[in-house]
Amino acid sequence: GIQVEQSPPDLILQEGANSTLRCNFSDSVNNLQWFHQNPWGQLINLFYIPSGTKQNGRLSATTVATERYSLLYISSSQTTDSGVYFCTGGANNLFFGTGTRLTVIP
Amino acid sequence: GAVVSQHPSRVICKSGTSVKIECRSLDFQATTMFWYRQFPKQSLMLMATSNEGSKATYEQGVEKDKFLINHASLTLSTLTVTSAHPEDSSFYICSARGISRYEQYFGPGTRLTVT
Repeated sequence: GIQVEQSPPDLILQEGANSTLRCNFSDSVNNLQWFHQNPWGQLINLFYIPSGTKQNGRLSATTVATERYSLLYISSSQTTDSGVYFCTGGANNLFFGTGTRLTVIP
Repeated sequence: GAVVSQHPSRVICKSGTSVKIECRSLDFQATTMFWYRQFPKQSLMLMATSNEGSKATYEQGVEKDKFLINHASLTLSTLTVTSAHPEDSSFYICSARGISRYEQYFGPGTRLTVT
C-alpha cells in the first residue's frame, strides 16, 4: 500500500496564528483529500485536491502531484480548528496519513 | 449534500455476541463504501471496501469471517462483528463514494465496547 506521512505530528498554536501542514506520499496518488476529525470523531471534508490549489475561507490547500506532496494552510487559527487533520489518497481505496494533532489555545 | 449516517452511534455488548452496524448514504447513491476502525489517538485503518452487489474486499490481516460486510443496496452497507471479544472494542467508521463523485464522505462513527 501507499505510505502517507504527515508533519508535524503535533502542533500547538496561539489563536490567530497561521500554520502549514504537510503530507508526503510514497507513490503517485489520486483522490487526494484533506479531512478534519473533530473531538467527537466526525471526519469533515476540507478539500478534494488531486492537484493545484483551492481555498475555502481561512483554509487553503495545494497539491503538487508530480512531487507527491500536499500542503494545508490554516490562517488566523481559531480554537474550533483544534482536532486531528488527515490527508488521504489512493487509486481506489483511501490510505490515511498519520495525522497532525492541532491544538489552538486562546 | 453528501451526508452519511451510521447507526448505532454507540453500543455496548457482551463477549460472544454479534453486533451489526449500519451505514447509509442519505442523499446520494454510494457505489463504493469503506469500513475503517480507529484506535485511540491513532489514524484510521482501512478494513474493507465494498461495492454494491458484490463481495467485499478485505485488507490484509482483517478476518472476513469475523467482520461480515454486506452492501445490499446503493444506500446501505452493514458491518457485523461476529462473536465479539474485548479486543474488538474500537471506533468503527464507514465512508461512501458516489457514482459521479471522487470524494469520499464519512459517517459519524460507532463506538463499540465489548465487555
